[in-house]
Amino acid sequence: GNSVTQMEGPVTLSEEAFLTINCTYTATGYPSLFWYVQYPGEGLQLLLKATKADDKGSNKGFEATYRKETTSFHLEKGSVQVSDSAVYFCALSPESGGGGNKLTFGTGTQLKVEL
Amino acid sequence: EPEVTQTPSHQVTQMGQEVILRCVPISNHLYFYWYRQILGQKVEFLVSFYNNEISEKSEIFDDQFSVERPDGSNFTLKIRSTKLEDSAMYFCASQDYEQYFGPGTRLTVT
Repeated sequence: GNSVTQMEGPVTLSEEAFLTINCTYTATGYPSLFWYVQYPGEGLQLLLKATKADDKGSNKGFEATYRKETTSFHLEKGSVQVSDSAVYFCALSPESGGGGNKLTFGTGTQLKVEL
Repeated sequence: EPEVTQTPSHQVTQMGQEVILRCVPISNHLYFYWYRQILGQKVEFLVSFYNNEISEKSEIFDDQFSVERPDGSNFTLKIRSTKLEDSAMYFCASQDYEQYFGPGTRLTVT
């Protein structure tokens, strides 16, 4: 079945440091890939997505590229801020687009950014 | 901006009791989901719902669980006889092109 593996946290960085959170997946066919973010006390928010190989999703300075050859979707940001402190979840759905496709999540990586 | 809401934010119940978790999806969305996250573990899919019926359910979603859209706005998850291992955060989501999640209900079974 489908699965997502992401690096364990917590990850602690200084403000303006470079961030990478690794994510790899196992799936048949051509899944869509997502990063969700969960701020304290809030629900999951879609951060970015990519629906086909070599697509790059980007939002709020975060980027991730869909690499089919390495089955990866690593999250990066060039300069993190304290406000980026949150839990980040990598996820996939089994088909591109459409509705009714459940998400399979990784375990989440907690990011803490300090001044 | 429209958002998914969930009530209550925290529910404490005794083992064996029935609980109903409520969600108000974003209006005009057609697909609805429940997920749960046991503390420290992955977010897990429970069930998806479309056109007033279950479209997919996981092996977690056994006969103790049911979902309903009783009035065209609310989307509920019922657990008939709660167990200790049902303690988790339960997330509702609704979808047009993306899945939008509510803030979750923390269920504590004692």
